Amino acid sequence: QKEVEQDPGPLSVPEGAIVSLNCTYSNSAFQYFMWYRQYSRKGPELLMYTYSSGNKEDGRFTAQVDKSSKYISLFIRDSQPSDSATYLCAMSAGSRGGSNYKLTFGKGTLLTVNP
Amino acid sequence: NAGVMQNPRHLVRRRGQEARLRCSPMKGHSHVYWYRQLPEEGLKFMVYLQKENIIDESGMPKERFSAEFPKEGPSILRIQQVVRGDSAAYFCATSASVNTEAFFGQGTRLTVV
Repeated sequence: QKEVEQDPGPLSVPEGAIVSLNCTYSNSAFQYFMWYRQYSRKGPELLMYTYSSGNKEDGRFTAQVDKSSKYISLFIRDSQPSDSATYLCAMSAGSRGGSNYKLTFGKGTLLTVNP
Repeated sequence: NAGVMQNPRHLVRRRGQEARLRCSPMKGHSHVYWYRQLPEEGLKFMVYLQKENIIDESGMPKERFSAEFPKEGPSILRIQQVVRGDSAAYFCATSASVNTEAFFGQGTRLTVV
């Protein structure tokens, strides 16, 4: 079983739709959970960061973490064509005191938002 | 404030040659993390360095790969005697500390022919 599983998609939605992206993981030591957005031929860009379980909202984006189920989600409301990108979940155990320490990534989900 | 700079953006090497990938951190950043993204695979951690020190190289292949982050200048990921399986996108991320946001560079796409 892979440490982090993410459905690669592709996912295609109309503009304005609510998008739900998910990852599951097996390592119960993970404490820090991130979502990155990666445009084609670019580096990943941090979107959301959550420590432990709970919800976090930032504009049109909501991140949810359920540690009991080992399941994390990213919701995008009122999706826009500019949201078209690959979305990567990432997580770390935060050993040696750091959230950046040794991130484990999912394979990414390719999202297309159609005008 | 310039972002994380990686160069070259694209690198073509013949089998058996050496590849040197450079990562210049953002100003004030002393932590560097290298990741490799193989086709159809997620980003995989390779090595974590602070100035002049390798903190964790558990993701680095045991042979042919090495990394450094000297007191002056960029971090270097060096791949000796490249093989076709080394073809991938190599990203570095840098941060001011282990708990502040890590910013990724644009990556170096290595193609071994």
